[in-house]
Amino acid sequence: DIVMTQSPDSLAVSLGERATINCKSSQSVLYSSNNKNYLAWYQQKPGQPPKLLIYWASTRESGVPDRFSGGGSGADFTLTVTSLQAEDVAVYYCQQYYSTPYTFGQGTKLEIK
Amino acid sequence: QVQLQESGPGLVKPSQTLSLTCTVSGDSISSGGYYWSWIRQHPGKGLEWIGYISYTGNSYYNPSLEGRVTMLLDTSKNRFSLKLSSLTAADTAVYYCARSRSMAAVDNLTFDYWGQGALVTVS
Repeated sequence: DIVMTQSPDSLAVSLGERATINCKSSQSVLYSSNNKNYLAWYQQKPGQPPKLLIYWASTRESGVPDRFSGGGSGADFTLTVTSLQAEDVAVYYCQQYYSTPYTFGQGTKLEIK
Repeated sequence: QVQLQESGPGLVKPSQTLSLTCTVSGDSISSGGYYWSWIRQHPGKGLEWIGYISYTGNSYYNPSLEGRVTMLLDTSKNRFSLKLSSLTAADTAVYYCARSRSMAAVDNLTFDYWGQGALVTVS
């Protein structure tokens, strides 16, 4: 199985500031034949199911604000939230869909400082 | 608007079998193009993918649960189900059903619509 490791486990950022979450996979999730990274990001607010934010490592799902951006390639990825808003308080998960079984990171809790 | 809703008992005894159903509205589970997954979240923990079933009824399960999982499709009622046998306390979790989008091939799925989740306690 591909192990997904996120850092940090929790993060406190001031409103309007930038938050960056890291995700590392135990093997590359870059598929050479199409040069795509099989990596998604989800947001889970308290008491709610996860919500798909980003796929292909950097493509925002429809309706996701552009303050959310994804980057990275191979085995190292980042989720950046620029200009943090109060409604962005949540736990964020990365997920690889390169191979089954699909696996998620342990989550990063994003809070307001 | 696609909506999914889990239903089933909230309390199950050890060694018994868990049965959950996910009713889908706003999309047809037999129309093709999507797969239908179950994912669970242990209390205060991360997410574990359990498996998927396709619109044709083909299924694939996480090997970590292989032998205990069965998923079925009920196209007449636009719903799909999960059965998990030989339960232990370690199976206590919130169980989510989710629509799964095939990104490149059947083995490359993301989860774009989720149910609200059903808490199942094994005790």
